[in-house]
Amino acid sequence: AQTVTQSQPEMSVQEAETVTLSCTYDTSESDYYLFWYKQPPSRQMILVIRQEAYKQQNATENRFSVNFQKAAKSFSLKISDSQLGDAAMYFCAYRSLQGAQKLVFGQGTRLTINP
Amino acid sequence: KAGVTQTPRYLIKTRGQQVTLSCSPISGHRSVSWYQQTPGQGLQFLFEYFSETQRNKGNFPGRFSGRQFSNSRSEMNVSTLELGDSALYLCASRETGENTEAFFGQGTRLTVV
Repeated sequence: AQTVTQSQPEMSVQEAETVTLSCTYDTSESDYYLFWYKQPPSRQMILVIRQEAYKQQNATENRFSVNFQKAAKSFSLKISDSQLGDAAMYFCAYRSLQGAQKLVFGQGTRLTINP
Repeated sequence: KAGVTQTPRYLIKTRGQQVTLSCSPISGHRSVSWYQQTPGQGLQFLFEYFSETQRNKGNFPGRFSGRQFSNSRSEMNVSTLELGDSALYLCASRETGENTEAFFGQGTRLTVV
């Protein structure tokens, strides 16, 4: 079974600075998807960025980018120019391409933005 | 397009009762999945429905069940509620195909007293 680990329960960053959230996962599969979701106080999970395992190029979405290290099974999220609206719980998630295409989530990292 | 809609947003039930939660997916999305979120266990997969059929099920007791209707709307039911069933229940929908992303609703906060 796949597992996802986020080792940082909480992180904080100054507004306009850069922060990196860590995520590692364990799988024996070669093809899969990885995601970062954001959950603000409204509770709705919002997709931030996704990465297909077969792509070597790291995904980017505006101020959000990932560092995908397939061999190391590492998938970190970098947020540049942090904004107050980035404050939320961030979840790393894995989805297999075979069998149950469910999302396997990490425990989450609570990100605080200091003004 | 309207997003994923979950009703009700909040629910308080008594131990031993049963509850039904509803999820209306984004129009055109045929896959609906349910997740339970608790502070202790985090986010856990309950089940996935596609075209009215349960495609996958997580490791939850038989008290947890669900169904999907022909219009892709889904319901999940929990019978004989226990205090530990108190959680945020999230529904997600996505289009057919492996290269699609899941869109989540705002969840139903269930409190069992």
